[in-house]
Amino acid sequence: GNSVTQMEGPVTLSEEAFLTINCTYTATGYPSLFWYVQYPGEGLQLLLKATKADDKGSNKGFEATYRKETTSFHLEKGSVQVSDSAVYFCALSPPRSKLTFGTGTRLQVTL
Amino acid sequence: GAVVSQHPSRVICKSGTSVKIECRSLDFQATTMFWYRQFPKQSLMLMATSNEGSKATYEQGVEKDKFLINHASLTLSTLTVTSAHPEDSSFYICSARAEGAAGSPLHFGNGTRLTVT
Repeated sequence: GNSVTQMEGPVTLSEEAFLTINCTYTATGYPSLFWYVQYPGEGLQLLLKATKADDKGSNKGFEATYRKETTSFHLEKGSVQVSDSAVYFCALSPPRSKLTFGTGTRLQVTL
Repeated sequence: GAVVSQHPSRVICKSGTSVKIECRSLDFQATTMFWYRQFPKQSLMLMATSNEGSKATYEQGVEKDKFLINHASLTLSTLTVTSAHPEDSSFYICSARAEGAAGSPLHFGNGTRLTVT
């Protein structure tokens, strides 16, 4: 079946530090991959996506590259801000199938 | 971008009463909407897939008689928690996918915090 594995949190960083949140997946076929962000008390917002191998999704300084050879979609940001503190979910969606989420990684950025 | 509106954002109800949560796609049509439940510090659990004009498809372990889903139009799905109990207290989130190219992302509502006293 399909599954997504994320690194356990919480991840605590100082402002302007480099961020990496690891995400690996198993899936049949060729899924699309997503990162969603959830701020406290809110629903999920799409952060970025990639629909095929070697695609790079990017938004708000965050990036993730669809690596089929390593079945990974790691999230990176060069310089985090306090406002980036949230829970980040990696997810996959094979064609015509439901979305599968990872367990989420909480990021806490301090001054 | 696509917007999904969920209402109410918070609701407190007494044990034994029913609560209805609405999910609307504001600028696109959604033949399929999804209802999730999120426990504190945990990921989202898919409860059911709401299909316009037909019965919802429930995930294993989700009581269909307790969580009634109605998808009356291409822009509205409702989740009714019937005879609510304190253990139903949770964060409920709906989502919808704009129809189109493969890989279209889900758009989420802002969630409903349900507290049953």
